[in-house]
Amino acid sequence: EAQVTQNPRYLITVTGKKLTVTCSQNMNHEYMSWYRQDPGLGLRQIYYSMNVEVTDKGDVPEGYKVSRKEKRNFPLILESPSPNQTSLYFCASSDRGRKNIQYFGAGTRLSVL
Amino acid sequence: GNSVTQMEGPVTLSEEAFLTINCTYTATGYPSLFWYVQYPGEGLQLLLKATKADDKGSNKGFEATYRKETTSFHLEKGSVQVSDSAVYFCALSDRTQGGSEKLVFGKGTKLTVNP
Repeated sequence: EAQVTQNPRYLITVTGKKLTVTCSQNMNHEYMSWYRQDPGLGLRQIYYSMNVEVTDKGDVPEGYKVSRKEKRNFPLILESPSPNQTSLYFCASSDRGRKNIQYFGAGTRLSVL
Repeated sequence: GNSVTQMEGPVTLSEEAFLTINCTYTATGYPSLFWYVQYPGEGLQLLLKATKADDKGSNKGFEATYRKETTSFHLEKGSVQVSDSAVYFCALSDRTQGGSEKLVFGKGTKLTVNP
């Protein structure tokens, strides 16, 4: 089954404690992206990657890092989380030729205390 | 940059009612337009799309027509069901600073359909 898998689905942490949210896709997609979803703001893109070792900033990259060492994986790293990063996070992937038809993971709800 | 404005929710309807969710956009050029749907506890999934003016996207009884003259892409369904309860996002394609394409989403409209 084609899917985008995020882990964990729920996470509560404290300010400053480094964390990683993993994202994996099994569709051999080149393009992957991270979004955060906040009430009244919709989805905003954090980072995206067009292929292995190629990443770039989205609209709200501050406080986040990503890496793309393998095609299927695109982890999101919060080196020093802060309460304003409490949000619902989505990973998405798409085929290079159809970048705007994105397949989303089920989401990771993060609370930073 | 390009942007999307969709009607504020929440929207509450009875089963079999007619649904319209308004979406207008601001864009340079001719973006592709999309409706994504997010069911409770799930990620977004593509509902329908249109790539040029006057195109009509349709899926699962939902329709939306790309209207260049009014810069709109309103979502409609003639008879909603309880299972249509979800959050609906209008989106358009845009260019990133790096020259790649990305999606720009509206804020979402929550629809609740009561039996």
